[in-house]
Amino acid sequence: KQEVTQIPAALSVPEGENLVLNCSFTDSAIYNLQWFRQDPGKGLTSLLLIQSSQREQTSGRLNASLDKSSGRSTLYIAASQPGDSATYLCAPSIQGAQKLVFGQGTRLTINP
Amino acid sequence: NAGVTQTPKFRVLKTGQSMTLLCAQDMNHEYMYWYRQDPGMGLRLIHYSVGEGTTAKGEVPDGYNVSRLKKQNFLLGLESAAPSQTSVYFCASSYSTVGQPQHFGDGTRLSIL
Repeated sequence: KQEVTQIPAALSVPEGENLVLNCSFTDSAIYNLQWFRQDPGKGLTSLLLIQSSQREQTSGRLNASLDKSSGRSTLYIAASQPGDSATYLCAPSIQGAQKLVFGQGTRLTINP
Repeated sequence: NAGVTQTPKFRVLKTGQSMTLLCAQDMNHEYMYWYRQDPGMGLRLIHYSVGEGTTAKGEVPDGYNVSRLKKQNFLLGLESAAPSQTSVYFCASSYSTVGQPQHFGDGTRLSIL
């Protein structure tokens, strides 16, 4: 059974810092991995999707990397802003209908 | 663009009552999913569908039924609500092609008293 762990559970940093969020998963047989952001009381917004054959994917100030063999992914946020405050979730896609398995997330707070 | 729309947004039920949650998507996606989100448990897959007329069980299907009579709609039913089903329910959809992201609705907050 795929298990996903996100470390740290919560992170608070001053505005402008670069930061890294970590995600580990137990089964390397994945199709891809998605990173989402969730604002309080809202749904999930897809940030990045990395295919199993890719090493990294970039969108603006966000960069996600994937090391499938070691079961790890990281989300790098450059020059953090207060608007980046949210919970970040990673979810590898397991075989069959692209089902996602979610970690419990990292709650990020960027202080002005 | 509407994307994925969930109805209702909030609902309070009494134990034993029944209700249906509606998910509608306007992106012509083949795949649709129902998740529940609970504190300390993360999001867990309840049921999913790979196309019109098909449904399959996810990780936590007990106590729920689903139907996908039309491609754009995916219904989640609670036949006899229990307090353990108090949760936030999210619907998602995606294309069937590998590597396509899932798109989520804003959720339904359900409380069972």
